[in-house]
Amino acid sequence: LAKTTQPISMDSYEGQEVNITCSHNNIATNDYITWYQQFPSQGPRFIIQGYKTKVTNEVASLFIPADRKSSTLSLPRVSLSDTAVYYCLVGGGYGGATNKLIFGTGTLLAVQP
Amino acid sequence: EAGVTQFPSHSVIEKGQTVTLRCDPISGHDNLYWYRRVMGKEIKFLLHFVKESKQDESGMPNNRFLAERTGGTYSTLKVQPAELEDSGVYFCASSRFRGENYGYTFGSGTRLTVV
Repeated sequence: LAKTTQPISMDSYEGQEVNITCSHNNIATNDYITWYQQFPSQGPRFIIQGYKTKVTNEVASLFIPADRKSSTLSLPRVSLSDTAVYYCLVGGGYGGATNKLIFGTGTLLAVQP
Repeated sequence: EAGVTQFPSHSVIEKGQTVTLRCDPISGHDNLYWYRRVMGKEIKFLLHFVKESKQDESGMPNNRFLAERTGGTYSTLKVQPAELEDSGVYFCASSRFRGENYGYTFGSGTRLTVV
């Protein structure tokens, strides 16, 4: 199962764009890349998922290079309410051998006014 | 739709006692998962149900933990007897389909404190 590496913490200010990069050198062919957000006292919340290239939804964008060994979550114009831990996960994948989610340490994003 | 519901939200028990955690998945979600985070550690997978069957229980720490999902609806996770190292937050998640295509919905967790 692919392990992920991401920064422990990041600081930002309101209105800025935030990019959080995750490394996953051992990603398997069937693996998808998924990002979750977690607020204190809540469970992780699905943000976005992709397999390759770029995915965009109403919350974020996910950029995945051709070799898929890394990915970047982009949050446009963050607000104070975006302060949370962001997890990058790889694994599962339709038809994959397992549906386990492997959580790393996550990135604590602190947004300041 | 209603989310994944976990009960209780908090539980404080003494070492050696028994505790049962409950998870109600989103209606129609055949896949149900248990995860936990113990103090200072990462969130770890415990097991995966597909309907009432245990698909993968490789993450269960030892035989003091028993998970059930009778009828393929809600699930319970029993810890008997509880030990100090079992303290942490236990999360339940559900998904309609296997695999990552549709994401998982997590509950808010049960914070278990063993004293």
